[in-house]
Amino acid sequence: GAVVSQHPSWVICKSGTSVKIECRSLDFQATTMFWYRQFPKQSLMLMATSNEGSKATYEQGVEKDKFLINHASLTLSTLTVTSAHPEDSSFYICSARRGPYNSPLHFGNGTRLTVT
Amino acid sequence: SQQGEEDPQALSIQEGENATMNCSYKTSINNLQWYRQNSGRGLVHLILIRSNEREKHSGRLRVTLDTSKKSSSLLITASRAADTASYFCTVGGTGNQFYFGTGTSLTVIP
Repeated sequence: GAVVSQHPSWVICKSGTSVKIECRSLDFQATTMFWYRQFPKQSLMLMATSNEGSKATYEQGVEKDKFLINHASLTLSTLTVTSAHPEDSSFYICSARRGPYNSPLHFGNGTRLTVT
Repeated sequence: SQQGEEDPQALSIQEGENATMNCSYKTSINNLQWYRQNSGRGLVHLILIRSNEREKHSGRLRVTLDTSKKSSSLLITASRAADTASYFCTVGGTGNQFYFGTGTSLTVIP
């Protein structure tokens, strides 16, 4: 159990366009979802934390108008990279937690975004 | 911040040997979690150890926690080539965020 599906697994887009990434918890209701980005051979950088029905909490330095996060239901969160630029090219990973603070995180398989 | 830092950054061992990696943190915690990441994939949860626990086992994995030293170790016994991956720790505290360090890159040579 505790499967998180992330879609698409990879996407190539042109500079200036927007890209939406979906994160779904398939067999549980996620109280909280997290979005990370990861550069090659580097750590995961937390971008934002979202709770269903409320606005996402963004980490310092992350532009909320550029990285739009919507957590519309207990099983779905979306990240939209607006007006993408080549520097936004990265590996984006979502994770979900289904219980309280002593619950582990369940990760999607990530989305490789390439902006040309 | 509630972040774990892994050490060493890279580790290379022969198949069958044991691998030990460490995690240090700075804040008070409710739990500490270890994850594995295969190249180009998401993270997979390995073990969660609560702050009132000192040791936990799962198959070939053994995790220890020393809250007085604010450190944890992950031991993988009888390593296999399939254990080749990056390993991360993170801590759960009073906040709702989970931060990760740079990880330990483990290479198991067949």
